[in-house]
Amino acid sequence: DAMVIQNPRYQVTQFGKPVTLSCSQTLNHNVMYWYQQKSSQAPKLLFHYYDKDFNNEADTPDNFQSRRPNTSFCFLDIRSPGLGDAAMYLCATSRDLRLAGAYEQYFGPGTRLTVT
Amino acid sequence: AQSVAQPEDQVNVAEGNPLTVKCTYSVSGNPYLFWYVQYPNRGLQFLLKYITGDNLVKGSYGFEAEFNKSQTSFHLKKPSALVSDSALYFCAVRDGNYGQNFVFGPGTRLSVLP
Repeated sequence: DAMVIQNPRYQVTQFGKPVTLSCSQTLNHNVMYWYQQKSSQAPKLLFHYYDKDFNNEADTPDNFQSRRPNTSFCFLDIRSPGLGDAAMYLCATSRDLRLAGAYEQYFGPGTRLTVT
Repeated sequence: AQSVAQPEDQVNVAEGNPLTVKCTYSVSGNPYLFWYVQYPNRGLQFLLKYITGDNLVKGSYGFEAEFNKSQTSFHLKKPSALVSDSALYFCAVRDGNYGQNFVFGPGTRLSVLP
């Protein structure tokens, strides 16, 4: 089945130690998103890629970076995790929303990050 | 700017009773509206969407939603709730005229009591 895969599902890192979360998709979607979700709140968009075009949200801290080496993969790098970065990180994909039709997002299962 | 409101943090309903989870939105252009469900420690799962046409949209697991343009609402409904429907529900909107981004509401926790 076509899907969005996130690894690992649970990640524990130390304060200040860089960590990378990964996302892959078999849907061949142009757009990939990274969200941060805390305590059953609404997902907060960090950034998205339209193909290789990176779009950062204005309030996303510089501590968060992303890479998309190809259509299928996207990575979230947290350069120096703080205690406040502990959260669920969700990857999502969608078709190019400029095309006709309202396309929904497809979400991965998320990676729960714990910072000790 | 786009925005979504879900006025109820929590909705409790008895199993077998109808349920409604409310959503209102604000966009400058044509609204594309979505409902997602999230179970504990899982990603969001798409339920249904409104693009255009019939105001009553049917989706997965027996859910439906009614688009009301004059009230700028898109309430989620189900005729007979199941205990397994207990989860966190998010309404989302995208302005059909702009960008690739979706705006999510704050979420409503639905508890279906046996």
